[in-house]
Amino acid sequence: AQSVTQPDARVTVSEGASLQLRCKYSYSGTPYLFWYVQYPRQGLQLLLKYYSGDPVVQGVNGFEAEFSKSNSSFHLRKASVHWSDSAVYFCVFGSGTYQRFGTGTKLQVVP
Amino acid sequence: EAAVTQSPRNKVAVTGGKVTLSCNQTNNHNNMYWYRQDTGHGLRLIHYSYGAGSTEKGDIPDGYKASRPSQENFSLILELATPSQTSVYFCASGEGTINTLYFGAGTRLSVL
Repeated sequence: AQSVTQPDARVTVSEGASLQLRCKYSYSGTPYLFWYVQYPRQGLQLLLKYYSGDPVVQGVNGFEAEFSKSNSSFHLRKASVHWSDSAVYFCVFGSGTYQRFGTGTKLQVVP
Repeated sequence: EAAVTQSPRNKVAVTGGKVTLSCNQTNNHNNMYWYRQDTGHGLRLIHYSYGAGSTEKGDIPDGYKASRPSQENFSLILELATPSQTSVYFCASGEGTINTLYFGAGTRLSVL
């Protein structure tokens, strides 16, 4: 079935450190992939999306993601995290019908 | 500013009662969606709509109905609420599956 898997339910990083949140997808073709972020007590907002072209896509607030067909992955990265990046991050697969969400990774940025 | 507005923001219901969650969008999007969010499951799609008068089942439609009376409004109806439907519900609008979804702030529903 077409889906995404986020293997890490929680990630803790120090402020100023680099970040990678992992996402693996299951699909034989080239997927539409998204990363959304949910800040505490808020709805979700788009960080970035990918369909084709340059495998590295830039998003808001310094986030980027790299698509890898060989690894079936779409990992999210940031060079230096800030305490305000603490949130839940969702990797999302866009099918022909609707978008399917991963289970999310809760990021905690500590001093 | 384009927006998705959900009401109520919080709701406490009794088991067996009827609950209606409402969603209004000013994005003029054709597609609207209802998701529920539970720990360990992420967001799961309940119902969606391609436009006024249409509703489609998502991945977990059992126990829920949906209504899309107009382009702007999309409701989720729990005819006989159960404690297992305690969750946070999100409405979203968008234009197709490859485009950005715009979410409301969510409705926290507790069924006692």
